[in-house]
Order: sequence, then C-alpha cells, then structure tokens
Amino acid sequence: GAGVSQSPSNKVTEKGKDVELRCDPISGHTALYWYRQSLGQGLEFLIYFQGNSAPDKSGLPSDRFSAERTGGSVSTLTIQRTQQEDSAVYLCASSLAFGADQISIYFGEGSWLTVV
Amino acid sequence: AQSVAQPEDQVNVAEGNPLTVKCTYSVSGNPYLFWYVQYPNRGLQFLLKYITGDNLVKGSYGFEAEFNKSQTSFHLKKPSALVSDSALYFCAVRDKGNNRLAFGKGNQVVVIP
Repeated sequence: GAGVSQSPSNKVTEKGKDVELRCDPISGHTALYWYRQSLGQGLEFLIYFQGNSAPDKSGLPSDRFSAERTGGSVSTLTIQRTQQEDSAVYLCASSLAFGADQISIYFGEGSWLTVV
Repeated sequence: AQSVAQPEDQVNVAEGNPLTVKCTYSVSGNPYLFWYVQYPNRGLQFLLKYITGDNLVKGSYGFEAEFNKSQTSFHLKKPSALVSDSALYFCAVRDKGNNRLAFGKGNQVVVIP
C-alpha cells in the first residue's frame, strides 16, 4: 500500500483480555517500529525490527507485551491480560534500511486501545 | 542516550503571526532531527528533517526549522500561522549509531482566529 496500515483503528477490550494489533508497513521497508502514545504523554518506544536481525525489545514495558514480524513484512503487537494503564494509541512506523531515505520514518494512523 | 526537550506544553498564537515551537536535543554524536505533526485523532505526519548541510531546513505546509549546533536546538517556525496549523507538534532526534527515534513530549499549538 501507499502508507503504513494499522488495524484495528479502534479497540475497546475488557481488563484481563488479550489483544492483537496489526501493522502492515510500506512495501519495501525492512525496518518496523512500534511506539505507544498515552494521553498527554509523548511517544514511548516499544520495539524495533530490522530485516532478519534480532529485534530490539528494550522498550517493551512488561512481559505482557510481545511482538512478532512474519516474513519480514506484517507485524503483530500482542498485549496479554490487558490492564487499564495499557489504554493508549499504539503507533506503527516503517523505514527503508539502506540508502539516503533510511532515516525517514513514516507512521501509520495508530490503533486506539481502550481497556475498560 | 538521546533525548529531546520541548519546554512548552502549549503555544498560543494569533492567526497571521509568526509561530515558533521550541526543541532542544541531546545526543552523543551528530544528530538526525525531525519534526512531526499530529492532527486530532490522526497518526503522525512528517514535516521536515535535518541530516546535514544547510542549517535552515524547509518542509511541508510552509514550515521551516533551524539547526543550531552550539545551542543544541532545532526550533520549528512558520512566518504566518493559520488556524489549520492547530495541532500537536513533536520534535524527534536520532543519532547515527542508533535506529530509534527519541521523541519530545509534544507541543500543542493553538492558532487563534
């Protein structure tokens, strides 16, 4: 597609349930990022994938959070046993790995998660 | 570790007046600097970036930013603000040895008609 695509755009879930958020990066982009934006807060880095390298998971806030990227393209962020403090916008972004444009990161519209 | 400071929570400006959104950064090496804008209920849109070369960078929608190495700043500017510029603006930095962007907390810009 033309841009980074995320789904669902909105998700309301009950506390304790698991959720999966999907990201489809820009075609040809081998780098993929997940960020979290909580109400009134800046963007918090969660995880970074680059090609076949081991992902940088250093931003994941707890072991309830995990992410995978299958086939070097689509990524899924999973939050297990959701808590109310997980309510936030989850933003996915992608970039080229090499070349002059590798440093420009493009964001999706976000998945708005509300835990009730 | 790289970091960004956006010292003001909200910037109010009258339509037609100059707009400035402040950003200072901290990195261990030479920085890559970015500005993004977020309109209500939308994702982040890229405005402009500084990589190297001319310290004055021009971007989308009439915005520009000036890289000042001695002051470690990258303030965003627009000569004449529009009501439609009302949005949340994020400054971000990335150093050359790192793959992630570090964002500031964002500045809410309110342009008053």
